[in-house]
Amino acid sequence: AIQMTQSPSSLSASVGDRVTITCRASQGIRNDLGWYQQKPGKAPKLLIYAASSLQSGVPSRFSGSGSGTDFTLTISSLQPEDFATYYCLQDYNYPHTFGQGTKLEIK
Amino acid sequence: EVQLVESGGGLVKPGGSLRLSCAASGFTFSSYSMNWVRQAPGKGLEWVSSISSSSSYIYYADSVKGRFTISRDNAKNSLYLQMNSLRAEDTAVYYCARRRKYSSSWALDYWGQGTLVTVSS
Repeated sequence: AIQMTQSPSSLSASVGDRVTITCRASQGIRNDLGWYQQKPGKAPKLLIYAASSLQSGVPSRFSGSGSGTDFTLTISSLQPEDFATYYCLQDYNYPHTFGQGTKLEIK
Repeated sequence: EVQLVESGGGLVKPGGSLRLSCAASGFTFSSYSMNWVRQAPGKGLEWVSSISSSSSYIYYADSVKGRFTISRDNAKNSLYLQMNSLRAEDTAVYYCARRRKYSSSWALDYWGQGTLVTVSS
């Protein structure tokens, strides 16, 4: 199975900061990667698909990049509602695998 | 409006069985692959199983293979997960999610609210 290594596992930042979360795949997965946001007690929400495409309705401060094995999620200017846990998911082959998650906390 | 509503969770003893359901509405259910994803208390997300639109292709995580069975009834717009030989480590919130094909990739674009399964004696 492809392993997705996500970093950091947690991150403290302030409103207005620019933050970057990374995911590394144990083998090449083309651009078959999505980023998901999850708030406590809620279902995950799709932010980015195909590594860099913004899901409809998601604010443009979210962006994704990467291909092959290395991927990043960037939030250009943190807003209060962005404090949540973020996961990457590889959809390249089965079994699909998630990164371990990055908990983004208010500094 | 796309809606996915899970049901069937609850408390079950180790070795027991449970069947989860996911009722879909607001889209053409028979055109989409569907997935189950779970999350143990305080832990991350774990992909569990996937079924193609016509049930031709089915996949499982190694952790549930041989114990769980995914199925769907397109006439009833419903997705199911039959869980047998349950273990304490199967305790989790189980989400159903729609898998959508974009031009060059796939993603889980809609999720249900989840149903809690607790395996304990």
